[in-house]
Amino acid sequence: QVQLVESAGGVVQPGRSLRLSCGASGFIFSDFAMHWVRQAPGKGLEWVAVISYDGTNKLYADSVKGRFSISRDDSKNTLFLQMNSLKIEDTAVYYCARDEKYKGNSIDIWGQGTMVTVSS
Amino acid sequence: DIQMTQSPSSLSASVGDTVTITCRASQSISGYLNWYQQQPGKAPKVLIYTASSLHSGVPSRFSGGGSGTDFALTINSLQPEDFATYYCQQSYSTPYTFGQGTKLEIK
Repeated sequence: QVQLVESAGGVVQPGRSLRLSCGASGFIFSDFAMHWVRQAPGKGLEWVAVISYDGTNKLYADSVKGRFSISRDDSKNTLFLQMNSLKIEDTAVYYCARDEKYKGNSIDIWGQGTMVTVSS
Repeated sequence: DIQMTQSPSSLSASVGDTVTITCRASQSISGYLNWYQQQPGKAPKVLIYTASSLHSGVPSRFSGGGSGTDFALTINSLQPEDFATYYCQQSYSTPYTFGQGTKLEIK
């Protein structure tokens, strides 16, 4: 069964850091680019970052550039999002998601999401 | 960045109705347009990729069309499980922007 499972998020103070992880199963993780997408409470979807299948290319939304870092460990089938200098506006449900390059780079598999709350 | 504008933002319809949601890109994205459905408290699910291709397992009452800057998602014969929020997304260039969403509610 193809599955993505994010680690627990949590509550963190502004300016602090948090690392999210996402475990993949049921497919060859190293064959796929992976994304992080977030959704603030009551708001729409916001694309955050993407990493290429081999980890060589990483791209970010302007809102997180320089603060967030996406990475992957193919030996552990795990995707990461290192979030530094967190701001209140980073409060959201964070989804890891799989890129399907043969289907127009659509996102065909999503994790269940993990809530990150940035609050003092 | 490419801006994606959906309309309407909300829509009321009845079971059995046919509805259309539109999505406009601020510049040409060729056919790199995807549609997602999100139920409350759940992760999104892809319905349509590359503007008009139906993702596996998605009912045929969902269809998509368009190219360049103007796209549409049509749902024929609405079923109770179709009442949800729908998002378009361009995957032509990063950042892979989403539309603001269209909430489809039961009339």
